[in-house]
Amino acid sequence: DTEVTQTPKHLVMGMTNKKSLKCEQHMGHRAMYWYKQKAKKPPELMFVYSYEKLSINESVPSRFSPECPNSSLLNLHLHALQPEDSALYLCASSPSRTGVDQYFGPGTRLLVL
Amino acid sequence: LAKTTQPISMDSYEGQEVNITCSHNNIATNDYITWYQQFPSQGPRFIIQGYKTKVTNEVASLFIPADRKSSTLSLPRVSLSDTAVYYCLVGALNNAGNNRKLIWGLGTSLAVNP
Repeated sequence: DTEVTQTPKHLVMGMTNKKSLKCEQHMGHRAMYWYKQKAKKPPELMFVYSYEKLSINESVPSRFSPECPNSSLLNLHLHALQPEDSALYLCASSPSRTGVDQYFGPGTRLLVL
Repeated sequence: LAKTTQPISMDSYEGQEVNITCSHNNIATNDYITWYQQFPSQGPRFIIQGYKTKVTNEVASLFIPADRKSSTLSLPRVSLSDTAVYYCLVGALNNAGNNRKLIWGLGTSLAVNP
């Protein structure tokens, strides 16, 4: 299995809602990532988990809360988002400590109303 | 920190070789150079990675000069399905201190015409 899966594919939420994005990989990778991507822009790194521990937080607002329940799963909990948070949210995993060779999921298209 | 610069767009025709160059003048000693391909509404796909000289795999080649201040992704005999955005990425997350970064270029939109 060389796939990273993400659910849901699409999500519409209001600014007072709480929702979660899910990511799963069964490649045995011990590094997992969350990215945010706006249209016609490169992905922006948000969080890095290494061996289920948060190793990098790129100064992301607290309305985004990551969680890594085990080595295969990664969640992103969303609360009180703003319309400008609407974007494609990508999950990735990597077999290496460098993080340069990442396997990306298809993303969750998020719209905040 | 390394900053990456690549052309915004390129046009080509089926069967031609396409070379996309990325400039990264401030590359650090332990930084790697990686290229990704992205189709609309999909996640990026790893193409190739290198540190110096030349790397080749089944889909592309990566040329890196001795000073490592630039790199060139070479796609042989492109087809319509190679129409995508190509990103240059420089860095490594196991570097020390302020060099612990992955710097994405803004992407090159490649259009392959029949």
